[in-house]
Amino acid sequence: KQEVTQIPAALSVPEGENLVLNCSFTDSAIYNLQWFRQDPGKGLTSLLLIQSSQREQTSGRLNASLDKSSGRSTLYIAASQPGDSATYLCAVEGQAGTALIFGKGTTLSVSS
Amino acid sequence: DAMVIQNPRYQVTQFGKPVTLSCSQTLNHNVMYWYQQKSSQAPKLLFHYYDKDFNNEADTPDNFQSRRPNTSFCFLDIRSPGLGDAAMYLCATSRDLVAGSEQYFGPGTRLTVT
Repeated sequence: KQEVTQIPAALSVPEGENLVLNCSFTDSAIYNLQWFRQDPGKGLTSLLLIQSSQREQTSGRLNASLDKSSGRSTLYIAASQPGDSATYLCAVEGQAGTALIFGKGTTLSVSS
Repeated sequence: DAMVIQNPRYQVTQFGKPVTLSCSQTLNHNVMYWYQQKSSQAPKLLFHYYDKDFNNEADTPDNFQSRRPNTSFCFLDIRSPGLGDAAMYLCATSRDLVAGSEQYFGPGTRLTVT
């Protein structure tokens, strides 16, 4: 059974710091991995999707990497801003048409 | 422009009183999903529709039902809500079921059961 773990559960950094959020999964047979952002009491906003054949994806200040063989993904946020404060969730799709399996998320707080 | 819309955003219902949550989409996607997210927990899939084909997750309680009358709309019916059903309910869509088909989420409906 696929399990997704995100460490740390919470992270506080000063504005301007570069930071890395970690995601690990137990079954490397995934089709894709998505990173989402969730603001308090809100829905999920998709940030990046990495297909199993890809190693990384970039969008603005965000870069996500995927190492399927080791069951790991990282989300790199450059030059963090207070507006980046949110919970970041990663999710994997085991095979087409099945549920996304989510981690519990990392809650990021960026102070000005 | 909202692509996945959920109504209402906040719903309060009484213990045992049936409640319906609504989701609509302007993306013309084939697949619609309902997830349940309890406080500080990961979202968990309840079921999904591929077109009109309904797919229930094995551990979804019978108390939860869904309807999809057309491509644009999907409803979540909770027949007899219990206190443990208080959660954020997230609707999502994807173009297809093939690998790499990105899921787009709505803003969620927060359900409170009194």
